Amino acid sequence: NAGVTQTPKFQVLKTGQSMTLQCAQDMNHNSMYWYRQDPGMGLRLIYYSASEGTTDKGEVPNGYNVSRLNKREFSLRLESAAPSQTSVYFCATHYGTTGGVDTQYFGPGTRLTVL
Amino acid sequence: SQQGEEDPQALSIQEGENATMNCSYKTSINNLQWYRQNSGRGLVHLILIRSNEREKHSGRLRVTLDTSKKSSSLLITASRAADTASYFCAQTGANSKLTFGKGITLSVRP
Repeated sequence: NAGVTQTPKFQVLKTGQSMTLQCAQDMNHNSMYWYRQDPGMGLRLIYYSASEGTTDKGEVPNGYNVSRLNKREFSLRLESAAPSQTSVYFCATHYGTTGGVDTQYFGPGTRLTVL
Repeated sequence: SQQGEEDPQALSIQEGENATMNCSYKTSINNLQWYRQNSGRGLVHLILIRSNEREKHSGRLRVTLDTSKKSSSLLITASRAADTASYFCAQTGANSKLTFGKGITLSVRP
């Protein structure tokens, strides 16, 4: 089993460009999350999906959109990238429909630079 | 925000020594978890302690929780060079979402 996979691993964008970060899991988990990690800031929740067909905003949703395509896949879209979105993005999954009660499993991350 | 704070921000010890890391948080929690992150990698879950537990062990890890002081500590005994990583505490509160601290950088010198 691959667990949680993310593509791409690295990406460089120019300001104003758009892109979609992909996340897929083969763990049959219900909940999926997108975090960003910035130096000295820890991880901050962008969006999450408690189950297929539902999405909700986290702590820092501005500038992002998400799609829970099916149970396995949860994508994060930047419509018009800004330098402030330079960060490392992590996808995570959790078995239940509410987060944090038990272990979250993380993907390897996507390192995004916006010039 | 219920973001917790870890202490110290950075810790450097010799292999074989024990490493103690502390975490404080602001609001009531359902549970508290510790994660490890190796350089350039994703986070890996280490241990979870529920709000009605005071101490938990897993291999060389010992975590304590003091809900009256809103604090937790992670002890790694007999540290190894492979323990070099960043360590994060994360709390689950009433909204059932994980809130991470800023992390502690642990360096274990061979």
